[in-house]
Amino acid sequence: DAGITQSPRHKVTETGTPVTLRCHQTENHRYMYWYRQDPGHGLRLIHYSYGVKDTDKGEVSDGYSVSRSKTEDFLLTLESATSSQTSVYFCATRNGAGTGSTDTQYFGPGTRLTVL
Amino acid sequence: DAKTTQPTSMDCAEGRAANLPCNHSTISGNEYVYWYRQIHSQGPQYIIHGLKNNETNEMASLIITEDRKSSTLILPHATLRDTAVYYCIVRVGNNDMRFGAGTRLTVKP
Repeated sequence: DAGITQSPRHKVTETGTPVTLRCHQTENHRYMYWYRQDPGHGLRLIHYSYGVKDTDKGEVSDGYSVSRSKTEDFLLTLESATSSQTSVYFCATRNGAGTGSTDTQYFGPGTRLTVL
Repeated sequence: DAKTTQPTSMDCAEGRAANLPCNHSTISGNEYVYWYRQIHSQGPQYIIHGLKNNETNEMASLIITEDRKSSTLILPHATLRDTAVYYCIVRVGNNDMRFGAGTRLTVKP
């Protein structure tokens, strides 16, 4: 849906190293989101973007930063990865043009990150 | 946002209708009901959403009670590929989809 790709799909890294995850979309959707999914917590919003260079924090933003320099790309950075950031990360996009099915969130395939 | 309550798990026979309930008794007038599903290890997939009228698309039907305090997602002819966790979300706007634990639906042959 919405031509969303995430890279890498799997990554193992060590505590204290910086990590950047990329979300790329081909549908020209205005809104983009980063979630993490952990057992027992469902999906939780980390950050979102409502346009190029416009971002805001979500429920669990501590330890994460984001950037959006162009419409199609939304980057999530862990400045200094910790073991508590081991999770599956999902990107989502939303058109934002109106109501109906075009205004729902569509999710990417996910990135599985392990911090040792 | 309104809290939703869903059964933890349900079984359904292949070819039969799967009816997944959701309670959202504190829903307010401008909150939509969304349904997503997540097949193992994949990203959540949008199914359907509605405000107060019943809705139908190629995947499912959504029945919302007149008082809007509960809803039912109906998969008319469940297949083995419909085995997934189904999430009911009540949300104003669309910027933060709060996924709960959902219902694990198992379609059995």
